[in-house]
Amino acid sequence: AQSVSQHNHHVILSEAASLELGCNYSYGGTVNLFWYVQYPGQHLQLLLKYFSGDPLVKGIKGFEAEFIKSKFSFNLRKPSVQWSDTAEYFCAAPDTGRRALTFGSGTRLQVQP
Amino acid sequence: DAGVTQSPTHLIKTRGQQVTLRCSPKSGHDTVSWYQQALGQGPQFIFQYYEEEERQRGNFPDRFSGHQFPNYSSELNVNALLLGDSALYLCASSVGVGRGNTIYFGEGSWLTVV
Repeated sequence: AQSVSQHNHHVILSEAASLELGCNYSYGGTVNLFWYVQYPGQHLQLLLKYFSGDPLVKGIKGFEAEFIKSKFSFNLRKPSVQWSDTAEYFCAAPDTGRRALTFGSGTRLQVQP
Repeated sequence: DAGVTQSPTHLIKTRGQQVTLRCSPKSGHDTVSWYQQALGQGPQFIFQYYEEEERQRGNFPDRFSGHQFPNYSSELNVNALLLGDSALYLCASSVGVGRGNTIYFGEGSWLTVV
């Protein structure tokens, strides 16, 4: 079965700092990868997704992620975070044998003004 | 264009009771999936409905059951509630059952079992 690991459980940054959140997946077949964000009190929203092609994926709100097949990684990055980026971030990949998403345990990002 | 809507938003139940949660998918979507998100964890897949049938199921006991109606809306039922069932229950919708289809989530129903 697919597994998704997010190594940073809680990250605290100051505004304007750069962000990189790690994500590793286990299944190396056809890969579709997603990053979702959950702002306090809101629903999960899609930040970006990778299906194929350019391994550097641009998403909403200035986020991007790089798919590195050899490392089974899909790290999320943002050059300069804002206070409004405070949220929980989840990496996800389709499960093997099931048409469902397997999520990582999430990274809570806290941006201090 | 309405997104995924869920009801109720919050509810409290007693151990041993039964609960029904409801979901209306995003307009144009025909597939509904349910996820359970315990505090501090990522969502875990419960099951998926397409064409009014359960198509896929995660590692959840059969106390968890569901239904999809002809208008694509869905219900999640949980019987014999346990304290460990306390969680945020998320409904997600998509078009079809392809592995790469983008999934949209509702705001969830917070269930507390006491």
